[in-house]
This record gives sequence, structure tokens and C-alpha cells, in this order.
Amino acid sequence: RKEVEQDPGPFNVPEGATVAFNCTYSNSASQSFFWYRQDCRKEPKLLMSVYSSGNEDGRFTAQLNRASQYISLLIRDSKLSDSATYLCVVIPGFGNEKLTFGTGTRLTIIP
Amino acid sequence: GAGVSQSPRYKVAKRGQDVALRCDPISGHVSLFWYQQALGQGPEFLTYFQNEAQLDKSGLPSDRFFAERPEGSVSTLKIQRTQQEDSAVYLCASSPPHRNYGYTFGSGTRLTVV
Repeated sequence: RKEVEQDPGPFNVPEGATVAFNCTYSNSASQSFFWYRQDCRKEPKLLMSVYSSGNEDGRFTAQLNRASQYISLLIRDSKLSDSATYLCVVIPGFGNEKLTFGTGTRLTIIP
Repeated sequence: GAGVSQSPRYKVAKRGQDVALRCDPISGHVSLFWYQQALGQGPEFLTYFQNEAQLDKSGLPSDRFFAERPEGSVSTLKIQRTQQEDSAVYLCASSPPHRNYGYTFGSGTRLTVV
């Protein structure tokens, strides 16, 4: 079983719709969580950190459920520019700082 | 510069050739990571430095892979006797001391072994 698992998609969603992705992680002691966005042939870029209390940044909402070991990302009022691959990232912490990535979820927003 | 700089941007190597990939992190960033990303996959961890110390090299796929960061700034990933399976994008990332600020990636080096 991979340490971080995501549904690879693709998700094809009409413009203006709401879309949600989930990600599960296997290490219950993991400390830090992020969502990264990666455009085709580009490097991953930090979208948002994920906090235990949940957090929102404009149209994006991230949630963490430690009991069930999953992280979610919700995108409201989707735009064409949201088309990208969304990568779930987990850091164990406690001296282990390496980011562990999921395979990514491919999202295409359809006009 | 403002971001993480990697060079070369593209590299075509003949099978068996040695290659060296360079990463210039953001000034002041203590942590530096190397990742390998195959097509359609998420980045896979290779190795991690804190300043000049290589704290974790568990992801290096074989002893043909070697990384260094001698002065705690620029890092070089070297691949000896390249094989076709080494073809991938090699990404470098750096971060400031507080990891909740996230990690900044360079544009990567796309290595093609022919």
C-alpha cells in the first residue's frame, strides 16, 4: 500500500461546479499536510497547507480528518484556470522532513 | 534569485554516460530535497540535506546516484552510467526552517537517456 493514496481521475467538471478530492495517508503519526498544484510540464507549487481545524483560501477549502487519516480539498465555483493535477503531500515530522506525494488527481474544467 | 534554480533544463544522455544536475536553492533555505518524477506519477523522494549534512538518502535508487551539498547552498545530483530507466524529471526543492511555509520547487531537469 502506498503511503499517500489519491484517486488519479481524471475528473472532468463543468465550469462553475464544485469539485472535491480526497487523499488518504497510512502513517498515523504524520504531522504536516499540504495540497500542491502541478500544471502540465511545470513544477509543483504550494496551493495551501492543511490544518487540523480546516482552512479556507478563497474558493479553496482544505480539511484534515486525523481519525480517518484523510485530507480533502474542495474547489467551489471552478474556473478554467483550475485545470491541473492536484498533489496531496504528507510530512511525517519528528525529524523526518521529507515530503511524501500522492500520485496526483488530474482535474479538467470544461467550458 | 527569487526562486529555486535548476540546470540544465533539459539533458539528453547516451546510455552509460555520467550526468550532473545542479540545484541553486533560495538564499537562506536550510533544507534541500531532490525528487524524481516519472511521467504520470507524483514526485518520489531521493535525498534530503539540512545545510551541508545529507540526513536521508534512502530514496536513491542505486549506488549510481550520488548527491552533495558541500557548502550548504548549491547541490549537485550525479548519476553515473545512466540507464534508460533513469529518464525522468528531477526536481529540487528548498524550504526555510519552519516547514509550514511549504517547500518551493525548481522547474526541474528533464533527463532523457537514449
